[in-house]
Amino acid sequence: DSGVTQTPKHLITATGQRVTLRCSPRSGDLSVYWYQQSLDQGLQFLIQYYNGEERAKGNILERFSAQQFPDLHSELNLSSLELGDSALYFCASSARQGRGTQYFGPGTRLTVL
Amino acid sequence: LAKTTQPISMDSYEGQEVNITCSHNNIATNDYITWYQQFPSQGPRFIIQGYKTKVTNEVASLFIPADRKSSTLSLPRVSLSDTAVYYCLVGDFLSTSGTYKYIFGTGTRLKVLA
Repeated sequence: DSGVTQTPKHLITATGQRVTLRCSPRSGDLSVYWYQQSLDQGLQFLIQYYNGEERAKGNILERFSAQQFPDLHSELNLSSLELGDSALYFCASSARQGRGTQYFGPGTRLTVL
Repeated sequence: LAKTTQPISMDSYEGQEVNITCSHNNIATNDYITWYQQFPSQGPRFIIQGYKTKVTNEVASLFIPADRKSSTLSLPRVSLSDTAVYYCLVGDFLSTSGTYKYIFGTGTRLKVLA
């Protein structure tokens, strides 16, 4: 158990819908990272927050957004969902702003029908 | 654009040492190299992290040459339970845009045979 929690574990929705994925980092960690894992794209970095502020941005679509709240939990919002958004979404946390060890949560499996 | 490549798959027998290499030609100057193990439908699990030369912990060793453009994860005496996918993770700083991103390797599927 890494100490990072993600909810929900599974999510099934339809195209065009909007969903919110939630992540609670390890106690004391200030950085949160979001990744997408699909069969054809591997593990792709989406975005990083540190103490509430965006710090790094990867291949995140404009339909996706994220934020980190004062209690340090983070949410990833996915809108106008397409079939190709079906994937595992992982959250990770680290103590430092960057260049530290990232500990991953169990993931949320999103299925878009 | 930085590329981080690994062999697609490897087979090994129980008790053997396994070495998995990751090529990261554009690693950020001051970033660490981290290796993860992933089982199906689970989150990546931290194995080891290093910056240069050699790092060893209770489960693995990590070898990083001076140019840091590659790294090798060494698993001593693998067992059946080590069958998994192994990934390297590095940071990539794009000086042209001043942006930073994290790049996972393509992953190596290790199969340990009895």
